[in-house]
Amino acid sequence: NAGVMQNPRHLVRRRGQEARLRCSPMKGHSHVYWYRQLPEEGLKFMVYLQKENIIDESGMPKERFSAEFPKEGPSILRIQQVVRGDSAAYFCASSPSSTGTGFTGELFFGEGSRLTVL
Amino acid sequence: SQQGEEDPQALSIQEGENATMNCSYKTSINNLQWYRQNSGRGLVHLILIRSNEREKHSGRLRVTLDTSKKSSSLLITASRAADTASYFCAPNQAGTALIFGKGTTLSVSS
Repeated sequence: NAGVMQNPRHLVRRRGQEARLRCSPMKGHSHVYWYRQLPEEGLKFMVYLQKENIIDESGMPKERFSAEFPKEGPSILRIQQVVRGDSAAYFCASSPSSTGTGFTGELFFGEGSRLTVL
Repeated sequence: SQQGEEDPQALSIQEGENATMNCSYKTSINNLQWYRQNSGRGLVHLILIRSNEREKHSGRLRVTLDTSKKSSSLLITASRAADTASYFCAPNQAGTALIFGKGTTLSVSS
């Protein structure tokens, strides 16, 4: 059973370009979470999605950032017109349905996508 | 969602010693989880303790939970160099995303 897959693992963009980060959750998982981590800091929550729904986007910057989790395919975190401050590691995590028995809220993390903005 | 606050921020010990990390939170929870992050890697779930439990063991890990004080501790016994990592606690409320603090950075030297 493959774990959470993130790609690309490393992405370099120039200021003003767009960055798209993809996350395929574990098989059977319908919840996806995105976190951002700056060097030497903890993980900052960005957004929580279910298939075709955004549940909580309280951690997402209001501009330039968007996320989706379509019915088919991976979840996408999109950053438009990147700036140097967007340079960070972006982690995706997944969990099974919250309505299933035994749901604990445990998250399974991918290895992250490291964005560098030149 | 609520964030856990880990203490201390950094901890340095020798191999074979025990490491204790603490976590405090503010409101009621369903469970509390501990995660480990090795440098440059994703977080890995270590152990979960439910709100009606007071202590839980998993291998060299021992977790306690005091809901009256809204605090938890993670004890790693007989530490090894491979335990060097950052450790995060995550208080969990039903239906909400986990929020992580800045973590405790543990360094175990041989």
